[in-house]
Amino acid sequence: QKEVEQDPGPLSVPEGAIVSLNCTYSNSAFQYFMWYRQYSRKGPELLMYTYSSGNKEDGRFTAQVDKSSKYISLFIRDSQPSDSATYLCAGSNYQLIWGAGTKLIIKP
Amino acid sequence: DVKVTQSSRYLVKRTGEKVFLECVQDMDHENMFWYRQDPGLGLRLIYFSYDVKMKEKGDIPEGYSVSREKKERFSLILESASTNQTSMYLCASSFSGRGTDTQYFGPGTRLTVL
Repeated sequence: QKEVEQDPGPLSVPEGAIVSLNCTYSNSAFQYFMWYRQYSRKGPELLMYTYSSGNKEDGRFTAQVDKSSKYISLFIRDSQPSDSATYLCAGSNYQLIWGAGTKLIIKP
Repeated sequence: DVKVTQSSRYLVKRTGEKVFLECVQDMDHENMFWYRQDPGLGLRLIYFSYDVKMKEKGDIPEGYSVSREKKERFSLILESASTNQTSMYLCASSFSGRGTDTQYFGPGTRLTVL
């Protein structure tokens, strides 16, 4: 079993929808959780990170961590075609452990 | 802006060839990383370096070696390329080795081994 599990998708939703991207992890030592976004033919870029449990909001994006269930979520409100990308989650105590990435397609 | 550049965007090599992939960062970062990215498997760490001439194996170092002679430059070497090394290779750098530090990625090199 991988330490961080993520459905590779693709996930296709209409423009304006609320998107929910999810990961599960198995390592209880993880304290930091990141979401990176990767556009086609580019390297990943950090989108958001959270420490321990709780929510963090940045504009249309909300990252949520539930350590009791070992569940990580990224919500995108009012999704735009420009949000189409692959979203990678990662957990960390001292080294980043990556999920497989979910390909998201926002249809105009 | 942090900039991480990789020597080639696309590379085609033959089985058994020696392949060099080079990565340069311009932010004086201590740590540099080499990953490969395959569909459904995500990012897998090949090697990382936390200082000049220092290296540590990642999760899949077999068939690869690395070199870091200068702080800004980190090279990945495939001693004898094989078809199962066909992949996207991504280089990254970070200020320190802490897991919380942002990793900055290059655009990737898509390597095809025939």
